[in-house]
Amino acid sequence: DVKVTQSSRYLVKRTGEKVFLECVQDMDHENMFWYRQDPGLGLRLIYFSYDVKMKEKGDIPEGYSVSREKKERFSLILESASTNQTSMYLCASRERKRDGYTFGSGTRLTVV
Amino acid sequence: AQSVTQLDSHVSVSEGTPVLLRCNYSSSYSPSLFWYVQHPNKGLQLLLKYTSAATLVKGINGFEAEFKKSETSFHLTKPSAHMSDAAEYFCVVSPLTGNQFYFGTGTSLTVIP
Repeated sequence: DVKVTQSSRYLVKRTGEKVFLECVQDMDHENMFWYRQDPGLGLRLIYFSYDVKMKEKGDIPEGYSVSREKKERFSLILESASTNQTSMYLCASRERKRDGYTFGSGTRLTVV
Repeated sequence: AQSVTQLDSHVSVSEGTPVLLRCNYSSSYSPSLFWYVQHPNKGLQLLLKYTSAATLVKGINGFEAEFKKSETSFHLTKPSAHMSDAAEYFCVVSPLTGNQFYFGTGTSLTVIP
């Protein structure tokens, strides 16, 4: 089975800190995605990448950046964390669209 | 424009009774459709998918969904609810073109003993 691993389940960071959320997949998928999930708002796409060093903005990229230096790893970066970035962050990967996503277990980030 | 509407934000059923979670979509062309389940503080797990083959799709844990093009619906059903089915369920549409998937806002399923 495809496995998508997010390095942290829970994180607490201070306002203004630079935060890295890491995601690794083990099935050589081309496409990787970062979502945030908030009550009442569902899942919202932050960024996605369809190849190494390629990235596309999603619906809510403001305050975030991403890095994909290797095919298996897709990092989400909060340059200066703010309290409104407290959320559950979900990483996903897929090969073909018809296959659907494989999600990681999520990282619950709290910014204080 | 693509969109997904989950008609119920909360559904409550008794254990052993049928489950119906409703989903309607809008899409310019025949999309791929998915249902995902999310248990508390976990990631999303694929339950089943429709990709233009059989319109009745069987998934894991006894769930099924039927694609009805005329009604633009993809409702999720299960004949008999189990306590372990209590979770959040998401309907997702993948349009024919573009890279994005579109998520519904989720239906929270409660199973009463």
